[in-house]
Amino acid sequence: SQKIEQNSEALNIQEGKTATLTCNYTNYSPAYLQWYRQDPGRGPVFLLLIRENEKEKRKERLKVTFDTTLKQSLFHITASQPADSATYLCALERSNDYKLSFGAGTTVTVRA
Amino acid sequence: GAGVSQSPSNKVTEKGKDVELRCDPISGHTALYWYRQRLGQGLEFLIYFQGNSAPDKSGLPSDRFSAERTGESVSTLTIQRTQQEDSAVYLCASSLGRGETQYFGPGTRLLVL
Repeated sequence: SQKIEQNSEALNIQEGKTATLTCNYTNYSPAYLQWYRQDPGRGPVFLLLIRENEKEKRKERLKVTFDTTLKQSLFHITASQPADSATYLCALERSNDYKLSFGAGTTVTVRA
Repeated sequence: GAGVSQSPSNKVTEKGKDVELRCDPISGHTALYWYRQRLGQGLEFLIYFQGNSAPDKSGLPSDRFSAERTGESVSTLTIQRTQQEDSAVYLCASSLGRGETQYFGPGTRLLVL
């Protein structure tokens, strides 16, 4: 069956450092992989989308990589700030589908 | 322009009761999705509406769950004879169309006692 796994442990880092989150999947062939941010008591907010034929995507301090051979995406937050503290979700989507399949998320805490 | 809104924000009910959850999508968004998020788990797809097409109900976990949408506006998710395992956050999202970025509401936190 399909499985999407994100860092099982919460991530605690010092302000200014880079946070690296992983998203691994099995039995899935996504055309798109998306990353969302979710704050407590709120719905997820879309951050970045990367396509299966793209290796890397950047947006401001965020960087996403996508390796379809390893079946893995890495999500980097560079020069992290306390305001980056949140839960980050990865979501996969097939090309002939519109339903997103989500991982359980990784909670990031950035210490000042 | 307002985002996706959901009501109520919190709902506590007794086992066996019916509940109705409401979603107001962003104006002009033809696609609407319902997801369920259990504590510590990823979002689970429940149902998808696109314009006047027949909805995709493939994610509904049992026949106690149903949803309706009036045209391209409000949607309601109904859970009949609630069970304790129905306790979760129910999230609604809307998008301009199929495959477009989904915008999520704040969710309804349902607790079944």
